[in-house]
Amino acid sequence: AQTVTQSQPEMSVQEAETVTLSCTYDTSESDYYLFWYKQPPSRQMILVIRQEAYKQQNATENRFSVNFQKAAKSFSLKISDSQLGDAAMYFCAYRSAGYGGATNKLIFGTGTLLAVQP
Amino acid sequence: DTGVSQDPRHKITKRGQNVTFRCDPISEHNRLYWYRQTLGQGPEFLTYFQNEAQLEKSRLLSDRFSAERPKGSFSTLEIQRTEQGDSAMYLCASSSGDRANEKLFFGSGTQLSVL
Repeated sequence: AQTVTQSQPEMSVQEAETVTLSCTYDTSESDYYLFWYKQPPSRQMILVIRQEAYKQQNATENRFSVNFQKAAKSFSLKISDSQLGDAAMYFCAYRSAGYGGATNKLIFGTGTLLAVQP
Repeated sequence: DTGVSQDPRHKITKRGQNVTFRCDPISEHNRLYWYRQTLGQGPEFLTYFQNEAQLEKSRLLSDRFSAERPKGSFSTLEIQRTEQGDSAMYLCASSSGDRANEKLFFGSGTQLSVL
């Protein structure tokens, strides 16, 4: 079974600085998707960024980028120029590519609570 | 488009009572998911619908839990004979399009407290 591990329960960053959130996963599959979701106090999960395992190029979305190391099964999120609105719980998630009737579900890590200091 | 709507936002019930939650997905989204999130944990998958068909159920979904999606639109999640361990936030998400480019849109959840 696949697992997702986030080893940093809490992180803190100064406004305008850069922070990196760590995520590792375990799978025997070769094709899959990885995601970072943000959950602010409003509780609504919002997709931050996604990465297809077959793509070697790291995904980027404005101030958010990932460092995807497939061999190491590592998927970290870098937030540049941190803003107060970035303060939230961040979850790393895994999903099978879905071949051969594989599951459609997302498997989440336990999350990292990010605080942004003004 | 108002996004994924869940009702109620909060529910307090006594142990042994039945509760029902409702999820209204984004219109025309054919996939609908239910997840459960306990304090300090990430969401855990419960079940998944494509249109009105329930295609996948987690082992977490005991026989006290039942989910429906009549007519492939809104969905309900019912918990019978609630237990204190059922206290959690229940999240609904919907999506459409091909799986390769699937993007889930989540609701704000229903927070259940079982006393």
